[in-house]
Amino acid sequence: DIVLTQSPDSLAVSLGERATINCKSSQSVLYSSDNKNYLAWHQQKPGQPPKLLVYWASTRESGVPDRFSGSGSGTDFTLTISSLQAEDVAVYYCQHYYGDSWTFGQGTKVEI
Amino acid sequence: QVQLQESGPGLVTPSETLSLTCAVSGASISSYYWSWIRQTPGKGLECIGHISNSGNTNYNPPLKSRVTISVDTSKNQLSLKLSSVTAADTAVYYCARRGYMDVWGKGTAVTVSS
Repeated sequence: DIVLTQSPDSLAVSLGERATINCKSSQSVLYSSDNKNYLAWHQQKPGQPPKLLVYWASTRESGVPDRFSGSGSGTDFTLTISSLQAEDVAVYYCQHYYGDSWTFGQGTKVEI
Repeated sequence: QVQLQESGPGLVTPSETLSLTCAVSGASISSYYWSWIRQTPGKGLECIGHISNSGNTNYNPPLKSRVTISVDTSKNQLSLKLSSVTAADTAVYYCARRGYMDVWGKGTAVTVSS
């Protein structure tokens, strides 16, 4: 199975500053036949289900603020929040959907 | 607007079978991939398995021997059966659409206890 390892486990960022979360995959999630990275990012606030932010590693979901961006390819990926807002306090998860068995990273808690 | 609603017993007896359903509205269940995911405080988010739009299933290896995921196209709903449950299966269970999980249900909490 593919293992996704996020770093850091938690981070504190000042309002308006940049937050960067990394996700490393134990094997590539780039599918050669369509040249797409099968990697998504989700945000989860307390008491709520996760919410999709980014898919195909860098495609922002409709309605997601443009301060959220995803990048990377193969085994190394990054979610960047360019200017942290109070409402961005949450746990962020990367998730792959490559192959038969899909998994999540362990999560990164973002605080002010 | 696509909406998913999980339902099932909130309490299950150890060694019994957990059965949950996910009612889908706003989309045809036969047109997409669907997943079951669970969340426990200790293990974060865990994919239980998924079913394709052609009915093929894939299960998380540690759970494979106990899991069955199916769809009922007449009711437009997704089902999960997890057999021989233990306290370790206590979790919030979610259903979601597509591989990248663009739509999630609100989740249903399940406790395994006698």
